[in-house]
Amino acid sequence: AQTVTQSQPEMSVQEAETVTLSCTYDTSESNYYLFWYKQPPSRQMILVIRQEAYKQQNATENRFSVNFQKAAKSFSLKISDSQLGDTAMYFCAFAYRQYSGNTPLVFGKGTRLSVIA
Amino acid sequence: DTAVSQTPKYLVTQMGNDKSIKCEQNLGHDTMYWYKQDSKKFLKIMFSYNNKELIINETVPNRFSPKSPDKAHLNLHINSLELGDSAVYFCASSQDRVRGESYEQYFGPGTRLTVT
Repeated sequence: AQTVTQSQPEMSVQEAETVTLSCTYDTSESNYYLFWYKQPPSRQMILVIRQEAYKQQNATENRFSVNFQKAAKSFSLKISDSQLGDTAMYFCAFAYRQYSGNTPLVFGKGTRLSVIA
Repeated sequence: DTAVSQTPKYLVTQMGNDKSIKCEQNLGHDTMYWYKQDSKKFLKIMFSYNNKELIINETVPNRFSPKSPDKAHLNLHINSLELGDSAVYFCASSQDRVRGESYEQYFGPGTRLTVT
């Protein structure tokens, strides 16, 4: 079974600074996807960034980037130039890649990020 | 143009009642899911349906019964509600990966269920 661990229950960062959220996972699969989802107080689940395990290049989306270390089974999220709107719960998630159909997400317990003005 | 919608957004009910949560997606996706988010914010899969067929049924009490009348809808019916059922329930959908290179799940806004 796959497990996802987020070791930082809460973090805070000053506006405009950079913060890194940690995530490790455990799986025997070789083909899978990793995700970071954001959940603001509105509770909507918003996809921040996605990484395919077969791709060596780290994914980036504007101010968000990941450091994907497949051998170490590590998938951290870096938020640059933090903004007040980044305040939210952040969930790391895993889904293995099967030949057909889709598989559900396995989530970590989340990191509550507060951006301070 | 809501992609995944759920009704109701809030549901307050008493122990022992039966309630349903409806979910609809207009994305043409093949797979739909129900997740439960507990009071500690932990999200866990409950059910997965692919083209109206149950694919995954995690260890969930049989008081919970999903129903998929068509590919665009996945409803969740809960019998004999208990205090421990209080949570936020999320519906999600995704496209069959065979036809799409990338894989993303789109979530509904969630339904906060409170059992008193």
